[in-house]
Amino acid sequence: DQQVKQNSPSLSVQEGRISILNCDYTNSMFDYFLWYKKYPAEGPTFLISISSIKDKNEDGRFTVFLNKSAKHLSLHIVPSQPGDSAVYFCAAVTQTGANNLFFGTGTRLTVIP
Amino acid sequence: EAQVTQNPRYLITVTGKKLTVTCSQNMNHEYMSWYRQDPGLGLRQIYYSMNVEVTDKGDVPEGYKVSRKEKRNFPLILESPSPNQTSLYFCASRPRSGLSEQFFGPGTRLTVL
Repeated sequence: DQQVKQNSPSLSVQEGRISILNCDYTNSMFDYFLWYKKYPAEGPTFLISISSIKDKNEDGRFTVFLNKSAKHLSLHIVPSQPGDSAVYFCAAVTQTGANNLFFGTGTRLTVIP
Repeated sequence: EAQVTQNPRYLITVTGKKLTVTCSQNMNHEYMSWYRQDPGLGLRQIYYSMNVEVTDKGDVPEGYKVSRKEKRNFPLILESPSPNQTSLYFCASRPRSGLSEQFFGPGTRLTVL
């Protein structure tokens, strides 16, 4: 059963506008969340993370919001640039055990120039 | 340069012919993991290793084997590949502490005919 879900397989946004990528999870034991970005023919690369003790983390144009009560997180990219076009995966991990990552299914973002 | 390398990058084989995909990291990471990426399913963990000689099953281990004889290497072995193992495979590593990003290799595109 998919514990981390990204319900939008794709998203198109105009250059300069905001991109909002969403992610939902079902396991209340998750307490650390990450976003990865993946270009074709490359491995995923880490983008930004957030601990469950926070509700927002910002890094330049990228901000991740966490709503624990709704088991929902989102990634905001402002302003969006054509180079942001990629597949974005959210991932979740618990602080216990092996700390394995559980990934969502990914959202393909296309930023239109 | 800190990196995770995988070989081969592309492989076409036939059902039942044993194959090995190598993975090596130069960051002295304790934790290593294998994932497969399939359309609509995201990244699913096959096997992981917390340290040398310590391996454990992920979510989809059937049909795969791994070994961890050295800290830097974590090969993925398909003893008798089948068409349903056609996929994009990623190796990843991170330090022992789980609340940190994983570093991914560039991926291996495997086709089993």
